[in-house]
Amino acid sequence: AQSVAQPEDQVKVAEGNPLTVKCTYSVSGNPYLFWYVQYPNRGLQFLLKYITGDNLVKGSYGFEAEFNKSQTSFHLKKPSALVSDSALYFCAVRVLNRDDKIIFGKGTRLHILP
Amino acid sequence: EAGVTQSPTHLIKTRGQQATLRCSPISGHTSVYWYQQALGLGLQFLLWYDEGEERNRGNFPPRFSGRQFPNYSSELNVNALELEDSALYLCASSFNRINSYEQYFGPGTRLTVT
Repeated sequence: AQSVAQPEDQVKVAEGNPLTVKCTYSVSGNPYLFWYVQYPNRGLQFLLKYITGDNLVKGSYGFEAEFNKSQTSFHLKKPSALVSDSALYFCAVRVLNRDDKIIFGKGTRLHILP
Repeated sequence: EAGVTQSPTHLIKTRGQQATLRCSPISGHTSVYWYQQALGLGLQFLLWYDEGEERNRGNFPPRFSGRQFPNYSSELNVNALELEDSALYLCASSFNRINSYEQYFGPGTRLTVT
């Protein structure tokens, strides 16, 4: 069965420091991987995706993520955190197989401390 | 370009009643997805429609149903409402083609069952 794990319920980082939000997945087949962000009282926004090609993908607001096939991970990163990055982050995976659907992780609350 | 729209914003129902939630996708998107976001439970996949057909559904009872109309808009129906159905219901839309699977979310409908 497909699954996505975000092992940290919350991450706290000081403003200006690099941040990492972790995501690992378990699928049978080639994954399509996504990161979404949910700001307070707003819907989810698409940040970035990995479909194929370069393992390092860049997205909105200075975020990037690295696809690591051997470790089945897709961690979200940013070199220098901003207070405005404080939000709820979701990792998602899709595999085009018989049970084609998109699975979301349970989310990681990111707190950027001023 | 208009984003995904959902109506109503808030909905208050009593146990046993029926609720109907509506979603209009981004122009050109053929896929519509429904999710339930209950407090502390992350995003739970409900239903996926594409080109008017149900493509997949999550682990929810049959009283959760829906449909997609010829203009690709969609509605979600929840029958025999229970207290635990209280949640934010999110609709998302996407193209359904390789390299364009990212979803764009609406602001959600907050359903409260009393």
